[in-house]
Amino acid sequence: DTAVSQTPKYLVTQMGNDKSIKCEQNLGHDTMYWYKQDSKKFLKIMFSYNNKELIINETVPNRFSPKSPDKAHLNLHINSLELGDSAVYFCASSRGRIEAFFGQGTRLTVV
Amino acid sequence: GDSVTQMEGPVTLSEEAFLTINCTYTATGYPSLFWYVQYPGEGLQLLLKATKADDKGSNKGFEATYRKETTSFHLEKGSVQVSDSAVYFCALSDQGGSNYKLTFGKGTLLTVNP
Repeated sequence: DTAVSQTPKYLVTQMGNDKSIKCEQNLGHDTMYWYKQDSKKFLKIMFSYNNKELIINETVPNRFSPKSPDKAHLNLHINSLELGDSAVYFCASSRGRIEAFFGQGTRLTVV
Repeated sequence: GDSVTQMEGPVTLSEEAFLTINCTYTATGYPSLFWYVQYPGEGLQLLLKATKADDKGSNKGFEATYRKETTSFHLEKGSVQVSDSAVYFCALSDQGGSNYKLTFGKGTLLTVNP
């Protein structure tokens, strides 16, 4: 069983479209995250949720909206996609502040 | 704020060579320290961790020691293999703060040639 799974793995879409990435964890963790990895491999936190409550929103454009329907799921919806949104998006989960477990990533390409 | 600085790559080694990837950090609290590895086309995997000063994390022949006096967590391996080729990330999680997040270094690409 995959611990942190996100779908889709690849997403190619046109500018201006709206898309969603789904994430589920079966580890029983209370904290979930979205990270963005740019073309130079740099990883930056976007959002953090603890027990379904938003803890961190790191100056991400409001076109990005996370939704946590329950502790095991954290989805990412992106409106009006732009070329600069092209990146790899990673979902992760942890129990409090100890090590995080990452999904396989979603490679988003905006054309 | 918190930050992690790791040596820039790429690093290219021959099989069985000794590896060191330097990592230093700045944190307001008392952080936990991690090394993550990302193999080509894959997500991040935790390689090792240390949660307090002088702790040594180890896994798969890799080691790193939490040095509070030098604020460092350097990654070492005595004999690298071709299969170790990947991007390595040093990261910290500040246990004292209220934010739940990992702060990453910029990553170091390691290529091991046969």
